[in-house]
Amino acid sequence: AQSVTQPDIHITVSEGASLELRCNYSYGATPYLFWYVQSPGQGLQLLLKYFSGDTLVQGIKGFEAEFKRSQSSFNLRKPSVHWSDAAEYFCAVGAHDMRFGAGTRLTVKP
Amino acid sequence: DTGVSQNPRHKITKRGQNVTFRCDPISEHNRLYWYRQTLGQGPEFLTYFQNEAQLEKSRLLSDRFSAERPKGSFSTLEIQRTEQGDSAMYLCASSLGPRGAEKLFFGSGTQLSVL
Repeated sequence: AQSVTQPDIHITVSEGASLELRCNYSYGATPYLFWYVQSPGQGLQLLLKYFSGDTLVQGIKGFEAEFKRSQSSFNLRKPSVHWSDAAEYFCAVGAHDMRFGAGTRLTVKP
Repeated sequence: DTGVSQNPRHKITKRGQNVTFRCDPISEHNRLYWYRQTLGQGPEFLTYFQNEAQLEKSRLLSDRFSAERPKGSFSTLEIQRTEQGDSAMYLCASSLGPRGAEKLFFGSGTQLSVL
């Protein structure tokens, strides 16, 4: 069965610092992988997705993610975090139904 | 493109009452999804429509839950005889494209509180 694990419930980084959010998935075939962001009072917004091809994918707002089949991981990265990036981030694997991880809450310190 | 619209934004009800939520997807999108999200968790898949046909239902969707999408446009999710465990955010999403690989557009959700 497909599943997604986000090991970090809450991460705090300083503004301007780099960010990496971890995501591990379990899926029998090549998965469709997604990262969504959810800000308070707003709907989930797609940051980026991976289907096939280049394992490093670029998304909106300066985010990128790298698919590593050998590690069953799809970690999200950003070189320099902005205060407006504070939000909840969800990794998801898509197939017959999209499965979301439990999310990682990002706090940005000034 | 006005986005996915959900109404109401908040619903407070007493245990045992019936509630109905509405979702208006992006107009050209043929797929519509319902998810439920509880505090500290990611969204959990409930059901999925392609046009007016309900194609998949999660085991989470007990017989107290029913969803419709008449004419393949807006959708309603009804919960009968609500229980306190039904308290959650109910999210609707719509999409256009290959199943499983498409970008989902989410609404802001309906927050249900069952007292």
